[in-house]
Amino acid sequence: SQELEQSPQSLIVQEGKNLTINCTSSKTLYGLYWYKQKYGEGLIFLMMLQKGGEEKSHEKITAKLDEKKQQSSLHITASQPSHAGIYLCGADSRGGSNYKLTFGKGTLLTVNP
Amino acid sequence: NAGVTQTPKFQVLKTGQSMTLQCAQDMNHEYMSWYRQDPGMGLRLIHYSVGAGITDQGEVPNGYNVSRSTTEDFPLRLLSAAPSQTSVYFCASSYSDPTETQYFGPGTRLLVL
Repeated sequence: SQELEQSPQSLIVQEGKNLTINCTSSKTLYGLYWYKQKYGEGLIFLMMLQKGGEEKSHEKITAKLDEKKQQSSLHITASQPSHAGIYLCGADSRGGSNYKLTFGKGTLLTVNP
Repeated sequence: NAGVTQTPKFQVLKTGQSMTLQCAQDMNHEYMSWYRQDPGMGLRLIHYSVGAGITDQGEVPNGYNVSRSTTEDFPLRLLSAAPSQTSVYFCASSYSDPTETQYFGPGTRLLVL
């Protein structure tokens, strides 16, 4: 089964600093999904990447997919307290009709004002 | 739209008791799923459904039953609760499969004593 390793497990940054979270898959990536979770709440979809080299941005968050490395990175520019939470990557290990997503264990981000 | 709703928000059970976690969505989504989230284990798929009358097992199905009699509802049943089932449970839905944007409910925190 596919495994996703996220690094770092946790991260504390000062407001205004940039940061990067990585997600590495043990198998070929057919699709990579980033979600954010605030403490005590459900997950909120951020971005989906499906093609090698694809890069997407939303406000100050940019995600990239490196198909060869089977890896995705999530970069936050000029972090704000509102960026704090748990970031999870999910992957589609498609093999025929597959209706399952595998998720990483998450990266806990703390942004100090 | 209410999105994905889950009840109850919190529940305490004694070992051996049974209960049903409710999940409903009003977006006419075909795909619905149940995850459990545990510290250090990330998000793991319990069961999923690709439409009314169709369900299948995820990564950790033991001890849980599901049914899907309507498009809107996807209840999760614990037949005989065990302390190992102490967790936070999330229900999610998407239009047709999990590679599309999944909408998550707020979660149910379950403690089994």
